Amino acid sequence: ELKVEQNPLFLSMQEGKNYTIYCNYSTTSDRLYWYRQDPGKSLESLFVLLSNGAVKQEGRLMASLDTKARLSTLHITAAVHDLSATYFCAVDLIYNQGGKLIFGQGTELSVKP
Amino acid sequence: GAGVSQSPRYKVAKRGQDVALRCDPISGHVSLFWYQQALGQGPEFLTYFQNEAQLDKSGLPSDRFFAERPEGSVSTLKIQRTQQEDSAVYLCASSLNGGAGRNEQFFGPGTRLTVL
Repeated sequence: ELKVEQNPLFLSMQEGKNYTIYCNYSTTSDRLYWYRQDPGKSLESLFVLLSNGAVKQEGRLMASLDTKARLSTLHITAAVHDLSATYFCAVDLIYNQGGKLIFGQGTELSVKP
Repeated sequence: GAGVSQSPRYKVAKRGQDVALRCDPISGHVSLFWYQQALGQGPEFLTYFQNEAQLDKSGLPSDRFFAERPEGSVSTLKIQRTQQEDSAVYLCASSLNGGAGRNEQFFGPGTRLTVL
């Protein structure tokens, strides 16, 4: 059974600080997704990582994928309040199962002045 | 163009009542997914359609849950005899293709179901 684990589950940061969210998964997958969810809202796609060693950056967020270690990271640089949200990683099953996504528990990020 | 839309956005049901949740995917998207998100949790897969064919329903929690997509576009998730544990946000997602293509999924706003 594929399991996806994120840590930390809760993260309180000060503005301007850096931090990393980790996403571990338990079986082979070659695609990893990062989503953002604001309270009461749906999921907004942030990054799609398609291969080992993939690195993508958008603004203050940078995501990377290590398929050998089954690990993805979401790095936050110089956090600002607008980044406060819940972040989910998700993987899909590699063996032609239609691409259903298995999500982590989410990391609730709060950025304080 | 329009994204994935869902209706109703909020639904309150009395225990034992039947409910129907609707999803309009992005036009032309072949694959459609339903997920259930309990409070404070990540979404969990319920079922998957490729066009009108329901290829995977392994995530449906009981036989009270039924989904259809008769014409390969709009989908309906029906829950019969609702129970309090069915309270959750139900998310619909669509992708251009599935299977070997496995395109990115785009999510709708969700339907928040509360069973009293």
